[in-house]
Amino acid sequence: DAKTTQPPSMDCAEGRAANLPCNHSTISGNEYVYWYRQIHSQGPQYIIHGLKNNETNEMASLIITEDRKSSTLILPHATLRDTAVYYCIVRPYSGAGSYQLTFGKGTKLSVIP
Amino acid sequence: DGGITQSPKYLFRKEGQNVTLSCEQNLNHDAMYWYRQDPGQGLRLIYYSQIVNDFQKGDIAEGYSVSREKKESFPLTVTSAQKNPTAFYLCASSSIDGNNEQFFGPGTRLTVL
Repeated sequence: DAKTTQPPSMDCAEGRAANLPCNHSTISGNEYVYWYRQIHSQGPQYIIHGLKNNETNEMASLIITEDRKSSTLILPHATLRDTAVYYCIVRPYSGAGSYQLTFGKGTKLSVIP
Repeated sequence: DGGITQSPKYLFRKEGQNVTLSCEQNLNHDAMYWYRQDPGQGLRLIYYSQIVNDFQKGDIAEGYSVSREKKESFPLTVTSAQKNPTAFYLCASSSIDGNNEQFFGPGTRLTVL
């Protein structure tokens, strides 16, 4: 079973920031938070990951709460091409279970023109 | 271009026939994975391999078999013992150190008639 909880769907206006929440209240100390997205009928694409500090790359920002029980993925200026299912995943950085990505149902983000 | 290739994109088979899905990568990754995705669901791990000539069962290995004779290739055979083989099959690969972010292929959609 997935160790994360995400809303099933969200809408966002084109050009606005998309904020996708994820709850992971049972996260362990050695587990990272990963985000992937899947555009319809394609393979998932890695977006970003983090442990406890906020992270930013060319695609998105990841904000992790201080207690690490939840996080938010931020797409700063959503475009129509960002319409996809977004998966929040927790997994150990190394050792047992580190090779497995456990996908839940994710959040279907629809970017509206 | 470096990446993962899966062929064909669409595959049709009659019930009771075994079918082998191909997955090739030129990313020099040690680890490779097979996932299955059903409509509206997340991905579920079938098998994974961390090194040539070795592989491990994932969550739903029953009715499937794999081989890893070469680093670049990780074919998946869907056998007649798999009760519900119609699904979207995704192959991925990763390094085995550091982030080991998984890179996914475009997928093969298998329909068993």
